[in-house]
Amino acid sequence: QQPVQSPQAVILREGEDAVINCSSSKALYSVHWYRQKHGEAPVFLMILLKGGEQKGHEKISASFNEKKQQSSLYLTASQLSYSGTYFCGTADYGGATNKLIFGTGTLLAVQP
Amino acid sequence: ETGVTQTPRHLVMGMTNKKSLKCEQHLGHNAMYWYKQSAKKPLELMFVYSLEERVENNSVPSRFSPECPNSSHLFLHLHTLQPEDSALYLCASTSGYPSYNEQFFGPGTRLTVL
Repeated sequence: QQPVQSPQAVILREGEDAVINCSSSKALYSVHWYRQKHGEAPVFLMILLKGGEQKGHEKISASFNEKKQQSSLYLTASQLSYSGTYFCGTADYGGATNKLIFGTGTLLAVQP
Repeated sequence: ETGVTQTPRHLVMGMTNKKSLKCEQHLGHNAMYWYKQSAKKPLELMFVYSLEERVENNSVPSRFSPECPNSSHLFLHLHTLQPEDSALYLCASTSGYPSYNEQFFGPGTRLTVL
């Protein structure tokens, strides 16, 4: 069962903030976040492991609520370079394989 | 070259053709993946190889045949494809399988089946 991302699309002005959510119906071990610009390969942003940790890099951070089976990606003071499609990938418990199930993606457009 | 490379970048083929996609990783990883990315659909995992052994086959039709001759190279052999197989095919690699490390993606091959 693929995770559900919301919103499907968001348009921002430079400097505005955004939150992208990722929800799963299954118990999760980890959540990965990737960004893909048009015509390019997905690029890794961060991994969050079980334990409710929060990670961040400069103005992009994320949280993982294991009990709620949810993760959120926070983009602060957005820049034009943040534009792209954001995917979460989830890995469930007990998996013997390194298998990520990706969400449908959230298209983010940052305008000047 | 560094990272993950894929060739060709674009491919147009008829339904009766046979072609192959190639992926090469220069990162010293031990696991490689094929994904399919169709318009407005999530990334779909097709195959996973770890140490040159196939460990995951995600109910992919037999017209797609993967091959992993060594830990740096991965192929996807295509034959008698259907128009609905048109998509972006992405290769990825990671280290420390099985684990949950980040995956490094190649630029993809844009496949069009006529």
